[in-house]
Amino acid sequence: AQSVTQPDIHITVSEGASLELRCNYSYGATPYLFWYVQSPGQGLQLLLKYFSGDTLVQGIKGFEAEFKRSQSSFNLRKPSVHWSDAAEYFCAVGARVIYNQGGKLIFGQGTELSVKP
Amino acid sequence: KAGVTQTPRYLIKTRGQQVTLSCSPISGHRSVSWYQQTPGQGLQFLFEYFSETQRNKGNFPGRFSGRQFSNSRSEMNVSTLELGDSALYLCASSPTAGGSDTQYFGPGTRLTVL
Repeated sequence: AQSVTQPDIHITVSEGASLELRCNYSYGATPYLFWYVQSPGQGLQLLLKYFSGDTLVQGIKGFEAEFKRSQSSFNLRKPSVHWSDAAEYFCAVGARVIYNQGGKLIFGQGTELSVKP
Repeated sequence: KAGVTQTPRYLIKTRGQQVTLSCSPISGHRSVSWYQQTPGQGLQFLFEYFSETQRNKGNFPGRFSGRQFSNSRSEMNVSTLELGDSALYLCASSPTAGGSDTQYFGPGTRLTVL
């Protein structure tokens, strides 16, 4: 079955410290992978995506993620966290059209990030 | 380009009523997907529409339905509301159908069922 696991429900980091949010997926083929961020009461904003090619992808706001096929992982990283990064982060896998699964995104449970001053 | 818009932003209904939520996709996008977000279940896929046809449906009861118009705008309807339907309903649009394309989300409609 397709699934996405974000093992950390809540993470607290100090401002200026580095950040890594974990994401593991289960999917029968090479997936399309996404990271979204959600501020309280808001919709989801796309941070970055992986479709193919270079396994290290750069996103907005200084975020990057690395696709590791052997580990079925797509971890999100940022070298220096800012207070404004406090939000909830969601990893998602997109079903491919060739399996006729339409536009379905499968989301992890989310990781809430708190930033200490 | 304007982003995905959803109306209304907030709704309060009572059990047994029905509700209609609206979503206008980014100009040129033909696919609209709907998701339900709750603290307990997280983000769950409801359905996707492309060219006025439902392409895919999640595991929700028949009380949840939707449609898409020729201008790609979409509505979802929930009939006979239950307390458990209280959630943030998110709409997302993408240029084409299928999970292979990036989905852009609207701000959501917060539905409260009393």
